[in-house]
Amino acid sequence: NAGVTQTPKFQVLKTGQSMTLQCAQDMNHNSMYWYRQDPGMGLRLIYYSASEGTTDKGEVPNGYNVSRLNKREFSLRLESAAPSQTSVYFCASSEVTVRGTEAFFGQGTRLTVV
Amino acid sequence: SQKIEQNSEALNIQEGKTATLTCNYTNYSPAYLQWYRQDPGRGPVFLLLIRENEKEKRKERLKVTFDTTLKQSLFHITASQPADSATYLCASPFSGGYNKLIFGAGTRLAVHP
Repeated sequence: NAGVTQTPKFQVLKTGQSMTLQCAQDMNHNSMYWYRQDPGMGLRLIYYSASEGTTDKGEVPNGYNVSRLNKREFSLRLESAAPSQTSVYFCASSEVTVRGTEAFFGQGTRLTVV
Repeated sequence: SQKIEQNSEALNIQEGKTATLTCNYTNYSPAYLQWYRQDPGRGPVFLLLIRENEKEKRKERLKVTFDTTLKQSLFHITASQPADSATYLCASPFSGGYNKLIFGAGTRLAVHP
């Protein structure tokens, strides 16, 4: 039972470099999310995908792009990394069930931009 | 703008006591609220969900209340244990999506033996 898998776990980028954070879930969930977490700020929603082929901006989308490649995968791209994007990034997925909606999170990607 | 807020100060309590954490929301009426636990270096883990038409929900030593008049949810851990020490986050749907979740900043709980 892998759940939500994020790669890589750690990454150091130089300012201006680009990279893509990968996320895959094996629970057949429709909804997927990308969050960033900074000290004292909690989790802030970057982008959300309600289903395959749809994406929607969250609270802090500037500087990021996303792709919902298929139902399983949701990637986050930084086109030109900035030090302000140093953070821990979490991918999550969720589905509405009879028990309600609960989100399942990956283990996080710790990104440092120097 | 919509806001979901938690007390950012850490809560320190003695083992065996009841911990009470607060989540307040402003400028919207969420259909439900959720509570998650996060341990250092890990992703959050879902604990409980309470809908707007439910006043209280329980799961083992956990209890959540939802007061739509006060625009507040309370999260209680009874008979707290050092293993309950973690950060607790509340979450609710954001405008434009039943599943589009936003989170509070979290409250760190430390239970001392």
